[in-house]
Amino acid sequence: QVQLQQWGTGLLKPSETLSLTCAVVGESFTGYYWNWVRQSPGKGLEWIGEINHTGNTNYSPSLKTRVTMSVDTSTNQVFMKLTSVTDADRAVYYCARRRVAVRFPFDPWGPGTLVTVSS
Amino acid sequence: QPALTQPASVSGSPGQSITISCTGTSGDVGNYDTVSWYQQHPGKAPQLLISEGSMRPSGVNVRFSGSKSGSTASLTISGLQVEDEADYFCCSYAGGRTWVFGGGTKVTVL
Repeated sequence: QVQLQQWGTGLLKPSETLSLTCAVVGESFTGYYWNWVRQSPGKGLEWIGEINHTGNTNYSPSLKTRVTMSVDTSTNQVFMKLTSVTDADRAVYYCARRRVAVRFPFDPWGPGTLVTVSS
Repeated sequence: QPALTQPASVSGSPGQSITISCTGTSGDVGNYDTVSWYQQHPGKAPQLLISEGSMRPSGVNVRFSGSKSGSTASLTISGLQVEDEADYFCCSYAGGRTWVFGGGTKVTVL
């Protein structure tokens, strides 16, 4: 059964770059899109973007100028970078798997990584 | 501002049925049969309840059901139980390989 493990920089200063990693364990890395979704404190979920094993990406229009996703197929890891962070980027960041066709849902989700932005 | 509109809170007594609405537009919920619903307990990651509007994955309790009418999707919890107290989120494909979520609904069991 697939498990998603997450880690990354938890505390940042404004204008710094957020870097997160999602490791896929226990199942094939190919044939899926790997997504990042964030949840600001006490608020809803926001889709950030997705990447597949070939490096094909799709990003949220509201974040596309600041986000970059990449993959390492040798280690089954997905990476996300978000530049020029502000307090508005303070959130729990989740990675989640989705099958290729758009009708499929996000399942499963990683445990999340809390990111705080403070000067 | 979340793209999909959900009520902030819904409550019910044990055994009752409650329904959570998720209102979008003709560009997302109204145009695609892709609405999914997720349950999130405090401090935990979201977990899939319903996909493609009304499909219940293996392992999800039959008390959870989904439907859609026009640009509004709904999640119904039948026979409400204490363990159903959680936050619930809807999600829809929005075209151009982008997805949108609702703001979430807090379910309280009285």
